[in-house]
Amino acid sequence: DARVTQTPRHKVTEMGQEVTMRCQPILGHNTVFWYRQTMMQGLELLAYFRNRAPLDDSGMPKDRFSAEMPDATLATLKIQPSEPRDSAVYFCASGLDSEQFFGPGTRLTVL
Amino acid sequence: RKEVEQDPGPFNVPEGATVAFNCTYSNSASQSFFWYRQDCRKEPKLLMSVYSSGNEDGRFTAQLNRASQYISLLIRDSKLSDSATYLCVGSYSSYKLIFGSGTRLLVRP
Repeated sequence: DARVTQTPRHKVTEMGQEVTMRCQPILGHNTVFWYRQTMMQGLELLAYFRNRAPLDDSGMPKDRFSAEMPDATLATLKIQPSEPRDSAVYFCASGLDSEQFFGPGTRLTVL
Repeated sequence: RKEVEQDPGPFNVPEGATVAFNCTYSNSASQSFFWYRQDCRKEPKLLMSVYSSGNEDGRFTAQLNRASQYISLLIRDSKLSDSATYLCVGSYSSYKLIFGSGTRLLVRP
């Protein structure tokens, strides 16, 4: 049963610290997405990769967020420096065609 | 105005009831639509795609009305396990999904 995996599942950090979230997409999927979910904004697309190339990161605050795919089995989302308003659940999803499969998410709390 | 709008609910219904959710979208260029289900503190999961001709999957029926720009989800014979948040989703390209804020359903015994 292939699944998207994400680490860590929970992260509590202090304002100003660097946060790195990792995602392993489902083997064979050629698209990877990063989403952020908050009560106020719902699910927002932060970044999109196809065949490891970043194609859309318009939803991501450029000054502090960065997303990369160093290889086909790993996607990373970094926040540096983190701020309390970054507290949210960050989901990674992978897919083929239009269906997207979500990972369990990283619940981030920035104090 | 959000691109995809839903009534947040909660819809509180007894087991066995039929419940319907509607969702409206503002971008007429939307190509595809979906309903996702999200359980509390879990990830969203695809429930079903939505076609103009309507589609049914067991107790679930989805409809798309492009002229009025709304999507509906009908759940018949509600089960306790149907309690969740239902996300209406529109797609404007081969990859970009726009999620509604979700409609919360509570099915009581």
